[in-house]
Amino acid sequence: EPEVTQTPSHQVTQMGQEVILRCVPISNHLYFYWYRQILGQKVEFLVSFYNNEISEKSEIFDDQFSVERPDGSNFTLKIRSTKLEDSAMYFCASSGAQVVEAFFGQGTRLTVV
Amino acid sequence: GENVEQHPSTLSVQEGDSAVIKCTYSDSASNYFPWYKQELGKRPQLIIDIRSNVGEKKDQRIAVTLNKTAKHFSLHITETQPEDSAVYFCAASTSGTYKYIFGTGTRLKVLA
Repeated sequence: EPEVTQTPSHQVTQMGQEVILRCVPISNHLYFYWYRQILGQKVEFLVSFYNNEISEKSEIFDDQFSVERPDGSNFTLKIRSTKLEDSAMYFCASSGAQVVEAFFGQGTRLTVV
Repeated sequence: GENVEQHPSTLSVQEGDSAVIKCTYSDSASNYFPWYKQELGKRPQLIIDIRSNVGEKKDQRIAVTLNKTAKHFSLHITETQPEDSAVYFCAASTSGTYKYIFGTGTRLKVLA
């Protein structure tokens, strides 16, 4: 069964450093998402991406965040200058259409120290 | 903004009993309601979903009901088993938007 894959599984970074989280969505999917989950809390929407542009973003997704689909397979989330409060599990997801099941990756645990 | 409330936050049941988790959504235009199960340290995985043109959907021991008027939807698990223990998230989505709004999660413990 096709899966969304994310790398790395765990990233530790110093406050103020840039990080790039990588995702390979399911190959025939058209909609891509980033969500985050602070430990013990709910899954929060960050951004969605369709047709090579951001479709929607939340208030969490400020100027420190950016997304990119640099080639036909990867989908990345960049945080320019990490803060302690960025520590969370970041999930990438993809779907074949709007308003259908989103398939989640296994997540990247980001720890900012 | 859009919001999804979920109750209870924790739920303990004896093996074999039923479990019910309830969600309320704020956006009356929401038309797709998935339920995800997340085991410890793992990714959320869809277990069942329902669309707004349907009032109930069942898949073996799992069922979901939707009351559009009240903007409520519920997950029902019958004959619970220890492997049902996990965190369950409800979510809502609306055509024309590109996101799922998740509830706060319910930690279900099935006691053997």
